[in-house]
Amino acid sequence: EIVMTQSPATLSMSPGERATLSCRASQSISSNLAWYQQKPGQAPRLLIYGTSTRATGIPARFSGSGSGTEFTLTINSLQSEDFAVYYCQQYNNWPPLTFGGGTKVEIK
Amino acid sequence: QLQLQESGPGLVKPSETLSLICTVSGGSISSSSYYWGWICQPPGKGLEWIGSIYYSGSTYYNPSLKSRVTISVDTSKNQFSLKLSSVTAADTAVFYCAGNSIAGAASFDYWGQGTLVTVSS
Repeated sequence: EIVMTQSPATLSMSPGERATLSCRASQSISSNLAWYQQKPGQAPRLLIYGTSTRATGIPARFSGSGSGTEFTLTINSLQSEDFAVYYCQQYNNWPPLTFGGGTKVEIK
Repeated sequence: QLQLQESGPGLVKPSETLSLICTVSGGSISSSSYYWGWICQPPGKGLEWIGSIYYSGSTYYNPSLKSRVTISVDTSKNQFSLKLSSVTAADTAVFYCAGNSIAGAASFDYWGQGTLVTVSS
């Protein structure tokens, strides 16, 4: 099973700042990585797939990069609606599909 | 635009079987354009993939749950279902059904709102 590790667990940011979230895979997953955003009481929303392709309707301030075992989600100019929990998910070697433990982006 | 909706009991007794249904609208569940899955989230915790099913009926399960899980499709009702047997309190979670329409990416771009299932006597 591929273990996904996200860091930091919590990121305290101010609106307008740039947030950088990390996701590490226990072995190479090529570019087969997705990112999700989840707000309290809501289902996750797909942001990025294939490491860097934005899903339909996702603003350009969200971008993804990386390959192999190291991946990054960058949120440029944080908006109030961006404060949420973010999960990465690998789909290179499955089953099982595996998620990271999440990074909470909170308001400083 | 796909829409998914989970339904089923919110309370299940220990050792019994948890059964949930996901009703899909806006697309055919038997279309080769989609595949379907179940994901759970214990209260205050992260996401865990339970399993997925393709339009062909092929199923893939999380090895950690495989002995207890069955996912199936009812094309006549445009629904797919989850059965999780021998539940314990550790299975208490919000259960999401989800769908994927992105070829080549086993991610989920459509999600139901989720349903909380509590395992308790």
